[in-house]
Amino acid sequence: GAGVSQSPSNKVTEKGKDVELRCDPISGHTALYWYRQRLGQGLEFLIYFQGNSAPDKSGLPSDRFSAERTGESVSTLTIQRTQQEDSAVYLCASSPGRGHEQFFGPGTRLTVL
Amino acid sequence: DQQVKQNSPSLSVQEGRISILNCDYTNSMFDYFLWYKKYPAEGPTFLISISSIKDKNEDGRFTVFLNKSAKHLSLHIVPSQPGDSAVYFCAASGDFGNEKLTFGTGTRLTIIP
Repeated sequence: GAGVSQSPSNKVTEKGKDVELRCDPISGHTALYWYRQRLGQGLEFLIYFQGNSAPDKSGLPSDRFSAERTGESVSTLTIQRTQQEDSAVYLCASSPGRGHEQFFGPGTRLTVL
Repeated sequence: DQQVKQNSPSLSVQEGRISILNCDYTNSMFDYFLWYKKYPAEGPTFLISISSIKDKNEDGRFTVFLNKSAKHLSLHIVPSQPGDSAVYFCAASGDFGNEKLTFGTGTRLTIIP
């Protein structure tokens, strides 16, 4: 079956512009996560959606970051007024719900000039 | 505040020998630990996990050991194969019901033919 997909695979933008990143989770997975990995660092949790519960936004670094999820399907991560420190690979993962194994997409590499 | 630490950024091992990757954590609330493997330009792939009620879990060539008193876990790969060359991330979670993962910074493993 299809895995987690993300688009675009690469995004280059100018400082101050808004960007929108998309994640299509594995069908039937109720949990969806966003992480980012900056150069030379580990993955950093951003936000978590589980079913109809309120999302856990505790990892979002600033109010320029927001994310939405439509039901149990696609999610979009929006970064407004991008800064150079936002440059990173943004990874989406999904899981069946309860339990810990998460399935990751290939990521979107964001470069802010 | 790095709650999950992988102090060796890189490791080289001869093919056929044992690879040992180490991970330390500081948060005693973590109750589940995972290892992920990552190839360039791909998302992390789940490898093996262990619950805090166990001290060892084995899956083929991969074994994870957990020492709760030392807050330390390790991944053993034996025998090491060239395809094992990748970056390995240790991850931890707790608070069952919100399985966001806290990752280490990764160890780049190179298997020398």
